[in-house]
Amino acid sequence: DQQVKQNSPSLSVQEGRISILNCDYTNSMFDYFLWYKKYPAEGPTFLISISSIKDKNEDGRFTVFLNKSAKHLSLHIVPSQPGDSAVYFCAASDLSTSGTYKYIFGTGTRLKVLA
Amino acid sequence: EPEVTQTPSHQVTQMGQEVILRCVPISNHLYFYWYRQILGQKVEFLVSFYNNEISEKSEIFDDQFSVERPDGSNFTLKIRSTKLEDSAMYFCASLSGTPVGDGYTFGSGTRLTVV
Repeated sequence: DQQVKQNSPSLSVQEGRISILNCDYTNSMFDYFLWYKKYPAEGPTFLISISSIKDKNEDGRFTVFLNKSAKHLSLHIVPSQPGDSAVYFCAASDLSTSGTYKYIFGTGTRLKVLA
Repeated sequence: EPEVTQTPSHQVTQMGQEVILRCVPISNHLYFYWYRQILGQKVEFLVSFYNNEISEKSEIFDDQFSVERPDGSNFTLKIRSTKLEDSAMYFCASLSGTPVGDGYTFGSGTRLTVV
């Protein structure tokens, strides 16, 4: 049962353009969402989060949008830089009901930013 | 910046052998996790640990797996009798207990290869 889905395994974008990474979820109880970035041979590192009470959160070049009715979130990176090339994981949790703060991860999208 | 430390970075073991993967979480964190990522697949939840006991575990975390926090600093994952399909990257993560903000801090992982 894949509760968090990232349907695009890879994405290539030209440097300076916008990268849009998408994530869909099925569990309507999810109320907190995160994006993680992962380089090869390293652990995932936190990028940006959003609570279900918001529909947008921005941090520098990174913006996460949440559409609760569609159970969809997206990460926008503007402008994209070669150093952004990595695997991006979407993660979700039902924090208000979970006592364990467990996050469910998607399968990841490999972003390649072309110089 | 505080970090989660995992050792070893790479472990090769023969099928049927026991392995112990070690993690030192961030010292003031309260929640501890093990996740694994089989090559090319999603990051999968294994187990969460809080207040010196398992708070949640996945179907993957069967009787062959166990976790311990023996001395208040180390957090270990033991696999009693390894199988070929246990080959994966194993990530330890910790969480302060404040769910908003940064989510987990992950370690850089241990690559387990079962031969």
